[in-house]
Amino acid sequence: QVQLVESGGGVVQPGGSLRLSCVTSGFTFSPYGMHWVRQAPGKGLEWVAFARIDGGREYHPDSVKGRFTISRDNSKSTLYLQMNSLAADDTAVYYCARDGARSMDVWGQGTMVTVSS
Amino acid sequence: EIVLTQSPGTLSLSPGERATLSCRASQSVDSSFLAWYQQKPGQAPRLLIYGASSRATGVPDRFSGSGSGTDFTLTISRLEPEDFALYYCQLYGSSPRFTFGPGTKVDIK
Repeated sequence: QVQLVESGGGVVQPGGSLRLSCVTSGFTFSPYGMHWVRQAPGKGLEWVAFARIDGGREYHPDSVKGRFTISRDNSKSTLYLQMNSLAADDTAVYYCARDGARSMDVWGQGTMVTVSS
Repeated sequence: EIVLTQSPGTLSLSPGERATLSCRASQSVDSSFLAWYQQKPGQAPRLLIYGASSRATGVPDRFSGSGSGTDFTLTISRLEPEDFALYYCQLYGSSPRFTFGPGTKVDIK
């Protein structure tokens, strides 16, 4: 079955960096765009990154632009999110999700990132 | 930038009742790019509706979506115990941007 499994979350100090991974299985990874979406504790959903099928273009909202970088390795069916200059308000569960062209049709279970000193 | 608002913030209903959730865009949008998600506590979101009215695979037919322009609705015809959850609308926009509404909580009355 289609699966997305995130990893790499943890506790990091303000100003630190972290790289999240999302290993996918059960479908052919390369033809799909992929997203990262986060959810701060008790808050709503916020899209933070999108990578097109070939990884040639990446998109981020202003809230993370210049700090977060999405990338993908199609040979490993894996999506990444490099997060730099982390701040307390980046604390959230980070989900990867598959792009269904008009929706995010498959989601992982999420990985928790806590930014705290 | 298009902003989505959802109402009500919380909907308190009993099993078997009909739930009507609203999603309003700050300007007219292409309904092809309006989606709805369900999220239960401690779980990832799950796609329910895409293209404003098309049910995702495996979604029961008690869930339906409608609307156009700036006003969209998710209707749950008869609430089952497992339907008490948070619901988010989302716009797949140009740029591209992927905006979520703030959510509506459906809880048990």
